[in-house]
Amino acid sequence: AQKITQTQPGMFVQEKEAVTLDCTYDTSDPSYGLFWYKQPSSGEMIFLIYQGSYDQQNATEGRYSLNFQKARKSANLVISASQLGDSAMYFCAMREGSSNFGNEKLTFGTGTRLTIIP
Amino acid sequence: DTAVSQTPKYLVTQMGNDKSIKCEQNLGHDTMYWYKQDSKKFLKIMFSYNNKELIINETVPNRFSPKSPDKAHLNLHINSLELGDSAVYFCASSQWQGFVKNIQYFGAGTRLSVL
Repeated sequence: AQKITQTQPGMFVQEKEAVTLDCTYDTSDPSYGLFWYKQPSSGEMIFLIYQGSYDQQNATEGRYSLNFQKARKSANLVISASQLGDSAMYFCAMREGSSNFGNEKLTFGTGTRLTIIP
Repeated sequence: DTAVSQTPKYLVTQMGNDKSIKCEQNLGHDTMYWYKQDSKKFLKIMFSYNNKELIINETVPNRFSPKSPDKAHLNLHINSLELGDSAVYFCASSQWQGFVKNIQYFGAGTRLSVL
């Protein structure tokens, strides 16, 4: 079974609108972390936001927020007031709890290509 | 200053050749990783090193050999390159912050094309 599922391969959104990128995850580990990364056309991977499984509040970082619904195992990324520069691939990733230093691999979803229309 | 830097950015080579990709991080992190991103943009862990010790070794052909001379550097050497090795290879690093909060910072990637 897929550990991270991103069901939207592509999205088109009008500039200045809010956008929600979906992510569901599958784990039996009570301790895990969820991450979102942005990959613009230039290719680099940029960390956006992190949510821990025990965090009480939804994470926010500037225009990015994470809508964390633990019971539904979803961790959707919300981008408010979208900008042209937000056009990129967005990846959801999970890191499951581990007791070993260095055994901290991220499992990635297949990504969503977001295009902002002027 | 680039936090995680990889060289080269592009690598074009013939099948059968041996090549290396270098990675350096100046963040003072204790763990470094190699990920492979295939043509469909899927990212998968290959290796991780913690303080120069190999921790994660996913099912990667033994033609791929990581080497960590110190905790700031993690290089990837690939022998006998094959067409299927064509991909973007990302280096990343992180610092232990507890069992789950471990933010990995990525380099810009190395696009390897095997002809």
